Amino acid sequence: DSGVTQTPKHLITATGQRVTLRCSPRSGDLSVYWYQQSLDQGLQFLIHYYNGEERAKGNILERFSAQQFPDLHSELNLSSLELGDSALYFCASSDSQQADQPYEQYFGPGTRLTVT
Amino acid sequence: AQSVTQLDSQVPVFEEAPVELRCNYSSSVSVYLFWYVQYPNQGLQLLLKYLSGSTLVKGINGFEAEFNKSQTSFHLRKPSVHISDTAEYFCAAVMDSNYQLIWGAGTKLIIKP
Repeated sequence: DSGVTQTPKHLITATGQRVTLRCSPRSGDLSVYWYQQSLDQGLQFLIHYYNGEERAKGNILERFSAQQFPDLHSELNLSSLELGDSALYFCASSDSQQADQPYEQYFGPGTRLTVT
Repeated sequence: AQSVTQLDSQVPVFEEAPVELRCNYSSSVSVYLFWYVQYPNQGLQLLLKYLSGSTLVKGINGFEAEFNKSQTSFHLRKPSVHISDTAEYFCAAVMDSNYQLIWGAGTKLIIKP
């Protein structure tokens, strides 16, 4: 158990809809990362938040957005969903203030999104 | 652009045989390297990491990796694999001051009985 929790575990929705995925980082971790993993594109970095602020963006579509709240949990919002958005969405957290483990990321179990 | 290359998308190997999964990164002044493992239907977990010091790094489950600066490589090895090692293995690196992980495409390790 990494200490990172994600809800829901599974989500089935229709094209055109909007969903919100939730992530709670490990206690004390300030950084949250979102990833998308699909069969055809592999593991893709989406976005990184550190202590409430956006730090880096990867291959994140304009239809997707994220935020990190004062209690450090994060939400990934996916809108106008398309069939191709079906994937596993992972959240990871890290405590970049730890001198001996500056970059290790701890992954949650993922949310499996199916768009029909 | 900085990149991490995993040369093999799949590596089939017989049980109890040795295995090497290859990883190369684009050249950088400083680099921090990681191997993650993803077992079927699970999230990723850290296998081992190189931050500094000894170039031979030992990780969990009997895996080790060697940092080779001249060849810009960080290959993962295990002397004898088990069926439970069936998983996808990802190499990742941090190569700039943004401290962002750059991921390889992953290598599926397939253990043949």
